[in-house]
Amino acid sequence: GNSVTQMEGPVTLSEEAFLTINCTYTATGYPSLFWYVQYPGEGLQLLLKATKADDKGSNKGFEATYRKETTSFHLEKGSVQVSDSAVYFCALTRNTGNQFYFGTGTSLTVIP
Amino acid sequence: DVKVTQSSRYLVKRTGEKVFLECVQDMDHENMFWYRQDPGLGLRLIYFSYDVKMKEKGDIPEGYSVSREKKERFSLILESASTNQTSMYLCASSSQAPGLATETQYFGPGTRLLVL
Repeated sequence: GNSVTQMEGPVTLSEEAFLTINCTYTATGYPSLFWYVQYPGEGLQLLLKATKADDKGSNKGFEATYRKETTSFHLEKGSVQVSDSAVYFCALTRNTGNQFYFGTGTSLTVIP
Repeated sequence: DVKVTQSSRYLVKRTGEKVFLECVQDMDHENMFWYRQDPGLGLRLIYFSYDVKMKEKGDIPEGYSVSREKKERFSLILESASTNQTSMYLCASSSQAPGLATETQYFGPGTRLLVL
């Protein structure tokens, strides 16, 4: 079946620290991979996506590379800010019906 | 920009009440989805719809039903609310571009439902 596993949180970092949130997936065929972000009290917003192997998605200083050989899509940012505090969800979709499969979310808190 | 709106941000209901959660999208999307979000469980798909009057069960449909009478509107119905349905409910929509599995889902702001 299709599933996404992401690292357990919560994660607490100091401002300007390096961030990695691990995400691995199980899927048949060739899924598209996404990272969504949820700020406090809001719905989910697309952060970045990659649609084929070796693609790199990037946005707002965040990056993730679609690694088919390790079935991974780890989220990274070189220098986090307090405003990056949020919950991050990894997700995949693999069919034109566009059903998504989400990880459980990783809560990030950045302290000044 | 895509806009997905949900009828209420916060809702308090009593056990046994019938509850309607409304979702409207303004981008002519074919696909619409209802999720619930609970701490430690992430997002779980309740129902989805690919077209008007069509619906498909997701992972946790028990205790819920849906209605899609118009393309832009997807309603989630709790026939008889129970305390274990206290949760955050998120609606999403996406385009059904033929041959593509790349379309982004766009989310509404969520409805936080408390069942007493």
